Amino acid sequence: GQQLNQSPQSMFIQEGEDVSMNCTSSSIFNTWLWYKQDPGEGPVLLIALYKAGELTSNGRLTAQFGITRKDSFLNISASIPSDVGIYFCAGQLFRAAGNKLTFGGGTRVLVKP
Amino acid sequence: GAGVSQSPSNKVTEKGKDVELRCDPISGHTALYWYRQSLGQGLEFLIYFQGNSAPDKSGLPSDRFSAERTGGSVSTLTIQRTQQEDSAVYLCASSSRGDTQYFGPGTRLTVL
Repeated sequence: GQQLNQSPQSMFIQEGEDVSMNCTSSSIFNTWLWYKQDPGEGPVLLIALYKAGELTSNGRLTAQFGITRKDSFLNISASIPSDVGIYFCAGQLFRAAGNKLTFGGGTRVLVKP
Repeated sequence: GAGVSQSPSNKVTEKGKDVELRCDPISGHTALYWYRQSLGQGLEFLIYFQGNSAPDKSGLPSDRFSAERTGGSVSTLTIQRTQQEDSAVYLCASSSRGDTQYFGPGTRLTVL
């Protein structure tokens, strides 16, 4: 099925570092979402963005809805060990197309040994 | 419970057998979604139920896959004549009138 292009696929972090990941699409979405998935669990919503250009924060997380409506990024500031996991972006045509989510391939965040 | 629950958490089956996966959505949520997550991949939409409307089946990969939702609550995803490529984690999500989707923990299906 269709997926968004999410990068990087994986990254190593050191505690205290800032990290950044992004997502691009060939299609326009009117909602962008960022989820985190821990092993053996379903994705948990971190941030939702509803307007082009919107910049939203949730604690140490900041995400932006691209002005073209075809991209989004997520920043994590001052990373801590519990930030390890897989982060997914998802695009949604809210109130259309069944509200189904189209997911990126994920960014696996790992701790530097 | 407060969240979406799914059962079983793990299912191992032999190629060619049928399997049923169950989802209990959050009470009162009218929308229910099934997604599939292959190893190391993002989630792929399968099917969507909203109230009493006809389901959106546009994501089902073949006619071996079907799903139903009884009484507007519990949903069952059925895979007939399972194949090895069906091995994946099957995730269910529910939402209230199309708002934030809350995911269950998933069922890990392994087809031998």
